[in-house]
Amino acid sequence: GQQLNQSPQSMFIQEGEDVSMNCTSSSIFNTWLWYKQDPGEGPVLLIALYKAGELTSNGRLTAQFGITRKDSFLNISASIPSDVGIYFCAGLSTSGTYKYIFGTGTRLKVLA
Amino acid sequence: NAGVTQTPKFQVLKTGQSMTLQCAQDMNHNSMYWYRQDPGMGLRLIYYSASEGTTDKGEVPNGYNVSRLNKREFSLRLESAAPSQTSVYFCASSRQGTNYGYTFGSGTRLTVV
Repeated sequence: GQQLNQSPQSMFIQEGEDVSMNCTSSSIFNTWLWYKQDPGEGPVLLIALYKAGELTSNGRLTAQFGITRKDSFLNISASIPSDVGIYFCAGLSTSGTYKYIFGTGTRLKVLA
Repeated sequence: NAGVTQTPKFQVLKTGQSMTLQCAQDMNHNSMYWYRQDPGMGLRLIYYSASEGTTDKGEVPNGYNVSRLNKREFSLRLESAAPSQTSVYFCASSRQGTNYGYTFGSGTRLTVV
């Protein structure tokens, strides 16, 4: 089945640093989503991408839909302590059933 | 504005016991989903319901059953719990036929001893 590889698995950064993470697949996706999960909560949608090459921002977050449609990237600028959490990518399956495939997550820890 | 509500938030079961996890959404969404989250495994789809009256297996359906009671409610049942089913369970919903993503509940943390 389709799988998403997300990297890095975890990262520790200093407050104020920029963060980059990515998601790659062996299959083509039509839509990429990025979610954030706070401890003890469900994932919350951050950014949605619908076209290859699309670059979309949400505050300090910027995500890109890769040209090959097999990858996506999320950048966080000037990180703050509340950025801590798990970031998930999700790709829309091309099987036509509107089911998303989720990556394994990137756990971000911000050191003040 | 509740969104997706899951109950209970926490549960401890003994091996072999049964229980039902409840999920309800108030967004008039057609599609609903059950995922489990395990460390290092991300979110894996157990079952989904594309619309009221239909249910389909996801990636990891063994040991579970579901019921789409009505448009609002989608329950997940464990008939005979096993330690391998210790996990955090998330219910989600979405508009059918769109690519706007899912709205998730806050999860049920289940431990089977």
